[in-house]
Amino acid sequence: GAGVSQTPSNKVTEKGKYVELRCDPISGHTALYWYRQSLGQGPEFLIYFQGTGAADDSGLPNDRFFAVRPEGSVSTLKIQRTERGDSAVYLCASSSHSSSTDTQYFGPGTRLTVL
Amino acid sequence: GNSVTQMEGPVTLSEEAFLTINCTYTATGYPSLFWYVQYPGEGLQLLLKATKADDKGSNKGFEATYRKETTSFHLEKGSVQVSDSAVYFCALTSGGYQKVTFGTGTKLQVIP
Repeated sequence: GAGVSQTPSNKVTEKGKYVELRCDPISGHTALYWYRQSLGQGPEFLIYFQGTGAADDSGLPNDRFFAVRPEGSVSTLKIQRTERGDSAVYLCASSSHSSSTDTQYFGPGTRLTVL
Repeated sequence: GNSVTQMEGPVTLSEEAFLTINCTYTATGYPSLFWYVQYPGEGLQLLLKATKADDKGSNKGFEATYRKETTSFHLEKGSVQVSDSAVYFCALTSGGYQKVTFGTGTKLQVIP
């Protein structure tokens, strides 16, 4: 079946611009997660949705980052006034439930480059 | 807070060699432990997991045993193949929270 998809696969933008990154989770998965992976590092947690609500946004680095999931399926990560330090691969994952033992299925990521 | 420490790479092995990638962790409560793999040009995928002490996770010839006494979850494979070349991430969830804490990853290169 279809896995987690993310669009665009690559995004190049200029410092100060606004960007939106989209995630389509596996159909029926209620839990959705965003992570950020910098070069040579492991992914770092940003935010977790259970249904439409953000259950844990403790990983968002500052108020320039915001994410929504209005209908409990597709999610959009929004970054305002981008900075060069925001350059990374942004990963989305989903799971069928919200237990900490559940497998999270990852998308291929969006590579964001801020010039 | 939670953290995962894994051996630095890259690790280069000849085909059919024995593989060990070390992983230790610090966590509150009783964590669940995972190994994820990232093949070149592909997304992260779960390789194996263990959710309680002394459990052994296994998949595709890889194994890891949850050792609470040593807070370790080392990844092993008896005979690696060229197709195992990838980056391997040790990870955990803890305290009922869903966010995954990852290690920095270990790149494995298997040469024929």
